[in-house]
Amino acid sequence: GDSVTQMEGPVTLSEEAFLTINCTYTATGYPSLFWYVQYPGEGLQLLLKATKADDKGSNKGFEATYRKETTSFHLEKGSVQVSDSAVYFCALSNTGNQFYFGTGTSLTVIP
Amino acid sequence: DTEVTQTPKHLVMGMTNKKSLKCEQHMGHRAMYWYKQKAKKPPELMFVYSYEKLSINESVPSRFSPECPNSSLLNLHLHALQPEDSALYLCASSHVPGGTGRYEQYFGPGTRLTVT
Repeated sequence: GDSVTQMEGPVTLSEEAFLTINCTYTATGYPSLFWYVQYPGEGLQLLLKATKADDKGSNKGFEATYRKETTSFHLEKGSVQVSDSAVYFCALSNTGNQFYFGTGTSLTVIP
Repeated sequence: DTEVTQTPKHLVMGMTNKKSLKCEQHMGHRAMYWYKQKAKKPPELMFVYSYEKLSINESVPSRFSPECPNSSLLNLHLHALQPEDSALYLCASSHVPGGTGRYEQYFGPGTRLTVT
């Protein structure tokens, strides 16, 4: 069945450091891929998405590229801020729009 | 407007109480979802409504009863809950997938439920 594997956390970085959170997926067909962010005490917010191979999603300095050959959708940001501290979920959507979430990666950015 | 609203924000209820969670969206979405999220875990799907009809029930206990009175509203009725039901309950909405359509889901802020 479809699934998402996300790198284990927690991740702690200093402000302005480079961020990578790895995400790989298993799916049949042509899923859409998403990154969601959850700030403490809040719901999930869509951060970015990609709907086909080689698409790059980007938002607020975050980027991820849909790589079909490596079944990956890694999240990157060049310079993190304290305000980026949150839990990040990779997700895929396939036929029927059922979502499959990764386990989440907690990011803490220290000044 | 990409907002999904949920009320109440917090709810404390005893095991014999009856309460309801409410969710509303005005994005014209015809698919709506209830999820349960435990601390430090991803959301778990509970129910899906498509065109106001229940399309998926992920074997949720009958003490949770969903209702979709119209295309903008989604309720979750709670009765005789157990302490292990304490969690964050999230509502989401999306366009109804058709053919190859796979749409992002928009989430509300959640209701933090505590069962005592």
